[in-house]
Amino acid sequence: AQSVTQPDIHITVSEGASLELRCNYSYGATPYLFWYVQSPGQGLQLLLKYFSGDTLVQGIKGFEAEFKRSQSSFNLRKPSVHWSDAAEYFCAVGANQAGTALIFGKGTTLSVSS
Amino acid sequence: GAVVSQHPSWVICKSGTSVKIECRSLDFQATTMFWYRQFPKQSLMLMATSNEGSKATYEQGVEKDKFLINHASLTLSTLTVTSAHPEDSSFYICSARLPNTEAFFGQGTRLTVV
Repeated sequence: AQSVTQPDIHITVSEGASLELRCNYSYGATPYLFWYVQSPGQGLQLLLKYFSGDTLVQGIKGFEAEFKRSQSSFNLRKPSVHWSDAAEYFCAVGANQAGTALIFGKGTTLSVSS
Repeated sequence: GAVVSQHPSWVICKSGTSVKIECRSLDFQATTMFWYRQFPKQSLMLMATSNEGSKATYEQGVEKDKFLINHASLTLSTLTVTSAHPEDSSFYICSARLPNTEAFFGQGTRLTVV
């Protein structure tokens, strides 16, 4: 079955500290992986994506993620968290086809403490 | 990136009435669009895949007669919640994809049925 697991429901990080959000996937075909961020009551904004090539991908706002095929993981990282990073983060997987919907994890809520 | 516009952003309706939500791709043509539903603090659940010029494909458990989807043009898909009830209150988000890209999301519609 195709699925995305985000093991951490809620994470609190101190401002300036590093961050890692975990994502594991199960997908029958070649996975195309995404991280999206959602602020309350808003749509989703793409942080980064992995289609192929270098397994370490850089995104917006200083985020990066590493694709590890052997571990079926695509963890999101940021070296220094800012208070404005507090939001809901979703990992998603899909095929490289416009007619295929993305499958989302349950999300991780990030809180940033001062 | 491509832009998907969703309207309205929020709507309050009386129980038993119908509500229409529009999803437009502003700068590209979308043969396929996707409708998601999101409950508070939860992930995005795919409701249906909207196909231009043909019937939508609904996910298991989604009532076709309650959630009517029309994709009459390559830039517009509509979701009509018929005979709405309080349990239909939710956040509805549409998205579209282009080949070899991520999914682009509308801003979402907060539906409250009173």
